[in-house]
Amino acid sequence: SQELEQSPQSLIVQEGKNLTINCTSSKTLYGLYWYKQKYGEGLIFLMMLQKGGEEKSHEKITAKLDEKKQQSSLHITASQPSHAGIYLCGAGSPTNFGNEKLTFGTGTRLTIIP
Amino acid sequence: NAGVTQTPKFRILKIGQSMTLQCTQDMNHNYMYWYRQDPGMGLKLIYYSVGAGITDKGEVPNGYNVSRSTTEDFPLRLELAAPSQTSVYFCASSFSEGVYQPQHFGDGTRLSIL
Repeated sequence: SQELEQSPQSLIVQEGKNLTINCTSSKTLYGLYWYKQKYGEGLIFLMMLQKGGEEKSHEKITAKLDEKKQQSSLHITASQPSHAGIYLCGAGSPTNFGNEKLTFGTGTRLTIIP
Repeated sequence: NAGVTQTPKFRILKIGQSMTLQCTQDMNHNYMYWYRQDPGMGLKLIYYSVGAGITDKGEVPNGYNVSRSTTEDFPLRLELAAPSQTSVYFCASSFSEGVYQPQHFGDGTRLSIL
């Protein structure tokens, strides 16, 4: 079965600083999803990567998938208090029915201090 | 736009009791999923459904049952609650058209078994 390891497990960053979260897979990634979770709420979809070397950005968040498709990173530029939360990566794998089921990493808890 | 709605938000059960966690979505998604999230852990797939009348087991199905009689609803049943089922339960749904469709999550049900 596929396993995802995220690092670091927790991160405390001063507001305005840049940061990077990593997600490493035990198998080749076919669809890699990044989600953000706030306490008491569900997961919010951020971005999805599928091609080796792919990079996507939304506002101040950039996600990359390496060429070998076994590692992804999430980079936040000029962090803000609104970026605080738990970031989860999820790897998609196909089922016999043609849909995708997700395997998640254990998450990275991000705290932004003023 | 309600998205994925889960009820109840919180529940305390006694060992051996049964209950049904409700999940409904208004996005006309064929695919629906149930996950559980234990403290400090990522989400683990319990069951999923690809349409009315079609369900399959995920990674941790023991102690749970599901049914899917309509496109909108995907309830999760706990028959004999055990302390190991104390967790946060998330329901998700996704489109069935195309590959790599992100899953949309509800806000979760926090369940304690005492």
